[in-house]
Amino acid sequence: GQQLNQSPQSMFIQEGEDVSMNCTSSSIFNTWLWYKQDPGEGPVLLIALYKAGELTSNGRLTAQFGITRKDSFLNISASIPSDVGIYFCAGPLGGSGTYKYIFGTGTRLKVLA
Amino acid sequence: ETGVTQSPTHLIKTRGQQVTLRCSSQSGHNTVSWYQQALGQGPQFIFQYYREEENGRGNFPPRFSGLQFPNYSSELNVNALELDDSALYLCASSPWTEGGEQFFGPGTRLTVL
Repeated sequence: GQQLNQSPQSMFIQEGEDVSMNCTSSSIFNTWLWYKQDPGEGPVLLIALYKAGELTSNGRLTAQFGITRKDSFLNISASIPSDVGIYFCAGPLGGSGTYKYIFGTGTRLKVLA
Repeated sequence: ETGVTQSPTHLIKTRGQQVTLRCSSQSGHNTVSWYQQALGQGPQFIFQYYREEENGRGNFPPRFSGLQFPNYSSELNVNALELDDSALYLCASSPWTEGGEQFFGPGTRLTVL
């Protein structure tokens, strides 16, 4: 099925470091969603973006809606061990009340204490 | 406020059988979507229900079907199970259908033998 491309695929970082990841698409999105998923659990919504160029923060997390509307970025500042998990970007394609949600391939984050 | 709940937590079926998974949406949410997540991959959109009707569908065959009830809860039915149907099935609810943020349940782990 169709997926958004995320990079990096995985990363090991030291506790306290900042993390950056991105998500790109060949299609234009009007909404970007960022989720974190822990093993065996459902994804948890971190940040929702609704406007091109929008920069939104949630604690140590900051996400941006790309100007082209074909990409989005997520930054985590001062990482801690509980940041470990898989981060997914997602967005809806469609309109007029009919949508198909697309998820990215995921970025696996591992934090070394 | 009660979040999205799913039942059962785990399920084991044999090839060719039929299965029904259930989801209760978050309070105040009228839109429900279902996803299939294979191990190591991002969630794949199956379909979305709004006002008891399917209003968006991913690339899944007709043997994947659903229902939404007047209280906005939902069922996912899969007929003629195949080995590749083994996955985590996720339900997500939203307060509107216009391509906005979705909130996920913990999922049902289906194993097909």
